[in-house]
Amino acid sequence: QKEVEQNSGPLSVPEGAIASLNCTYSDRGSQSFFWYRQYSGKSPELIMFIYSNGDKEDGRFTAQLNKASQYVSLLIRDSQPSDSATYLCAVNSLEYSSASKIIFGSGTRLSIRP
Amino acid sequence: EAGVAQSPRYKIIEKRQSVAFWCNPISGHATLYWYQQILGQGPKLLIQFQNNGVVDDSQLPKDRFSAERLKGVDSTLKIQPAKLEDSAVYLCASSLMNWDTIYFGEGSWLTVV
Repeated sequence: QKEVEQNSGPLSVPEGAIASLNCTYSDRGSQSFFWYRQYSGKSPELIMFIYSNGDKEDGRFTAQLNKASQYVSLLIRDSQPSDSATYLCAVNSLEYSSASKIIFGSGTRLSIRP
Repeated sequence: EAGVAQSPRYKIIEKRQSVAFWCNPISGHATLYWYQQILGQGPKLLIQFQNNGVVDDSQLPKDRFSAERLKGVDSTLKIQPAKLEDSAVYLCASSLMNWDTIYFGEGSWLTVV
């Protein structure tokens, strides 16, 4: 079973600071990478996806991908209390079949303190 | 555009009873997924459909879980008989293609007592 690893946290960041969330994956063939946010009691919602090496920015969020190191990260600038949630890293994997499947990490709990 | 619909939202059953969850994906999405999420963990893929066919069910406990996708659209996930450790949220999701962004329904919360 291919794996996606995340630090479970909690990660505590002061309001207005940059939150940095990290994820590593084991399948070198992975091509699609996603970050989802999940509030307590709610289902995951997509924040960003990234397919190519480098950075991708969307508002306060920046996704960074390094395929050589099998590493993907999410930066949240100007953190707000509403950013407090669990962040799930997801990666596509072609383990034993020709069909890609999306595998999730266990998530990192982020807490923004006022 | 309507999102992924799931029902029921909440279910409490006794162990050894059966339960069924229904999912209607986003219109036009060929790929449908059932994930199980236990409190404090990430979603675990149970089964993945591409149109009518199953493309991955490697983590589906087939002695008690079954799933089908009717006419390539709606899907039903059944658990029979339920165990205490089946208490979880069952998330249905769909995507246009199997490597593409997946969109989740609100989930079906199961408590087995």
